[in-house]
This record gives sequence, structure tokens and C-alpha cells, in this order.
Amino acid sequence: AQTVTQSQPEMSVQEAETVTLSCTYDTSESDYYLFWYKQPPSRQMILVIRQEAYKQQNATENRFSVNFQKAAKSFSLKISDSQLGDAAMYFCAYRSASLGIQGAQKLVFGQGTRLTINP
Amino acid sequence: AAGVIQSPRHLIKEKRETATLKCYPIPRHDTVYWYQQGPGQDPQFLISFYEKMQSDKGSIPDRFSAQQFSDYHSELNMSSLELGDSALYFCASSLKRGSEQYFGPGTRLTVT
Repeated sequence: AQTVTQSQPEMSVQEAETVTLSCTYDTSESDYYLFWYKQPPSRQMILVIRQEAYKQQNATENRFSVNFQKAAKSFSLKISDSQLGDAAMYFCAYRSASLGIQGAQKLVFGQGTRLTINP
Repeated sequence: AAGVIQSPRHLIKEKRETATLKCYPIPRHDTVYWYQQGPGQDPQFLISFYEKMQSDKGSIPDRFSAQQFSDYHSELNMSSLELGDSALYFCASSLKRGSEQYFGPGTRLTVT
């Protein structure tokens, strides 16, 4: 079974600074997707960024970028120019690309990292 | 843009009662997923439906059942509620199996 680990329960950063959230995962599959979801105090789950395992290029969405290291099974999220609105719980998630396997469609989440932005 | 709609947003039930949670996916989305997020925990997958058929099953208790209707909305039925069922229940939808899952705002269930 796949597992996702976020080893940083909490992180804090000064406004306008850069912060990196860590995520590692374990899988025997070669084709899969990785995601970062943001959960603000409203508890809404918001998709931040997505990475396909077969793509070597790291995904980028505005101030958000990832460092995907497939061999090391590492998937970190970098937030540049941090803003107060970035304060939230961030979840790393894994999903198999093999739809035919039982359990393949589900998102497997890490434990989450609570990010605080200091003004 | 239209989002996933969940109702009710908040629900309070007593032990051993029954609850029904509803999910209306984004228009044209044919796949629905249900997740349960306990206090201070990450979301856990319960069950999913594709084209009105159950397509995947996670750690869903036997006391829970779900279905997807002809208009693609889905309902999660929970019977014999226990205190441990208190959680945030998310519904997510995707355009097809394998696409990004977009989450609804969640239904907060409190069992007293």
C-alpha cells in the first residue's frame, strides 16, 4: 500500500519570505500523480498543484512550485513571496495512475503541515 | 465557476440515529468520491462512484452505504451512528476517473 509522510507538523515563515514544505512517499508503482492541497481555517480542500510522475519537469503555479525527486520519492512544495492568505494546513497526496486496481482512485494523504505566516 | 455542493453543511445527530449526506458534483463530472476527516487528521477515502456504479471502496464501515443517482448526485447514508463518526465528510468530483478531484466544502457531522 502507498504511504505519504509529511515530517513537519508545523512550519512558520515571515511574510514575503520563501518556505519549503517536505513530503516523502512510498510506492512500488512507476506511474502515479502527486498533489498538494491547501486547507485554510474554512476547512475547504483546495488543489494547489499537481505533478505527473512521468514528467521530469517540476510543476509550477504562480508562487507555488514543487521539487519532484522520483528516485528519492520526495515531493516538496516551495511557496515564494509568502502571503498572509497562504496560512493553512497543507496536505501532500498520492494517487495511482492505474485505475483498474482496487483502491487506485483514492487520494492517499500525508498527515499535513500547518503553515503560519508571520506579518 | 460551479463547485461541488454538499448538504447539509452542519448536522447534529444522537448516537444510534441515521444521517444522510448529499453531494452534487460539478456539472458534467461523472465521478464522485467520499472522504472522512476526523479531528486533527488527514482525509480518509471511503468510497467512489463512476457513472452511477461503485468503482472503488476504502475503509467504509458496514453501517455506511452510498449510491450515485441518474443525475450524478450522490448520497452517503450512515446508520447506527457512533461518537467516533463525528467528522468532516468531504465529497469530491472529477470529470472522469483519473482526473483531478475537486472537493466540496464538506459536511460537519457531530454525534452526541
